[in-house]
Amino acid sequence: QLQQSGPGLVKPSQTLSLTCAISGDSVSSNSASWDWIRQSPSRGLEWLGRTYYRSKWYYDYAVSVKSRITINPDTSKNQFSLQLRSVTPEDTAVYYCARYCSGGSCFVDYAMDVWGQGTTVTVSS
Amino acid sequence: DIQMTQSPSSLSASVGDRVTITCRASQSINTYLNWYQQKPGKAPKLLIYAASSLQSGVPSRFIGSGSGTGFTLTISSLQPEDFATYYCQQTYSAPPQTFGQGTKVEVK
Repeated sequence: QLQQSGPGLVKPSQTLSLTCAISGDSVSSNSASWDWIRQSPSRGLEWLGRTYYRSKWYYDYAVSVKSRITINPDTSKNQFSLQLRSVTPEDTAVYYCARYCSGGSCFVDYAMDVWGQGTTVTVSS
Repeated sequence: DIQMTQSPSSLSASVGDRVTITCRASQSINTYLNWYQQKPGKAPKLLIYAASSLQSGVPSRFIGSGSGTGFTLTISSLQPEDFATYYCQQTYSAPPQTFGQGTKVEVK
């Protein structure tokens, strides 16, 4: 299960920060990655980035946000976070965290089988 | 990035109807294709992974097929709880995973 938290309103030019708490799995799992996706009427479902652990931590980001995004794992709290800097109204969307399984202890292959509840984020002054 | 194109964008159907949704990839993705169902105000829910494997707990009326560039999701007998929007997703060339634009199944 994934439980999201964070503010629903962010001012332009500021930083959007969301957290996704994991239960029933570990952020250090060797068979999953921990992803952020957003959804808006104009962009549809857009993958933003992920972090995963395979003997060390890896990070991948979408080209569209690569200069502004950071995803960090927190092993002490078994959660991961999203930071999106210098936001504009175009970043207004519903943000989701999700587990992407790639075999191993996951029961599915190469799919997002668990999602957070979603956070509606509005960028406005 | 691989582009995913769904058709139709929306359809109207009645309970008991057989419904088919198509997803086409801009290049071959083998069977790295997933289907999700989304209801208003909710997160997407995984229905089918690897083109044809049914996710645990999903009714057997949901059937996925295809490989390469062409895929279909069939609902063999539409139920009231199936009115929703459906998305395909490729994970062959990832990152980035890319989604189709969605197909909304509405009441006729």
